[in-house]
Amino acid sequence: SQQGEEDPQALSIQEGENATMNCSYKTSINNLQWYRQNSGRGLVHLILIRSNEREKHSGRLRVTLDTSKKSSSLLITASRAADTASYFCATSRYNQGGKLIFGQGTELSVKP
Amino acid sequence: NAGVMQNPRHLVRRRGQEARLRCSPMKGHSHVYWYRQLPEEGLKFMVYLQKENIIDESGMPKERFSAEFPKEGPSILRIQQVVRGDSAAYFCASSEGTGGTYEQYFGPGTRLTVT
Repeated sequence: SQQGEEDPQALSIQEGENATMNCSYKTSINNLQWYRQNSGRGLVHLILIRSNEREKHSGRLRVTLDTSKKSSSLLITASRAADTASYFCATSRYNQGGKLIFGQGTELSVKP
Repeated sequence: NAGVMQNPRHLVRRRGQEARLRCSPMKGHSHVYWYRQLPEEGLKFMVYLQKENIIDESGMPKERFSAEFPKEGPSILRIQQVVRGDSAAYFCASSEGTGGTYEQYFGPGTRLTVT
């Protein structure tokens, strides 16, 4: 069954605006990771947030995790055209060896 | 420190042939994961290996697919007698440890096309 589901499926914004993407999941998790994928390329690791953490920052990225709502959000501030990509959340569960369950992704388009 | 390496980047096979995909994890990583991405979809877990051991192959099709991670050399994902439905991007990831507490870093992927 689908573990992570991103919302929205597609997002189009202007350069300089903030972009917020959400991820919901169904079962208890060990951690949640966000990845970026440019068209036809591999995945770039952005942030890992553990189940006992509520917020993490990395540069222009801010990730929150609400385990009571089983949801996470990725905020990209002051977006740039180079941020155009698909963004995926992936969860791992306890006692499952670390395999990641991916959502369908949010396709972000940042227009210059 | 080189990242995860995969080769070939693109592979074209005719139906019935064998496809062999290679993955070299990041230096110091002994945990390897294989994922498959069908067009317009997210990634789906296939198999998790440590050196010389398959830990979890719950996502791997029962027939035609196999994986190994020998003591020396890269991890290999082998697909025998390929069919058109095997056309996809196959990604390998590696991590320093297990238990879902470590970041997984992905390679650039191998794009398999079955004609």
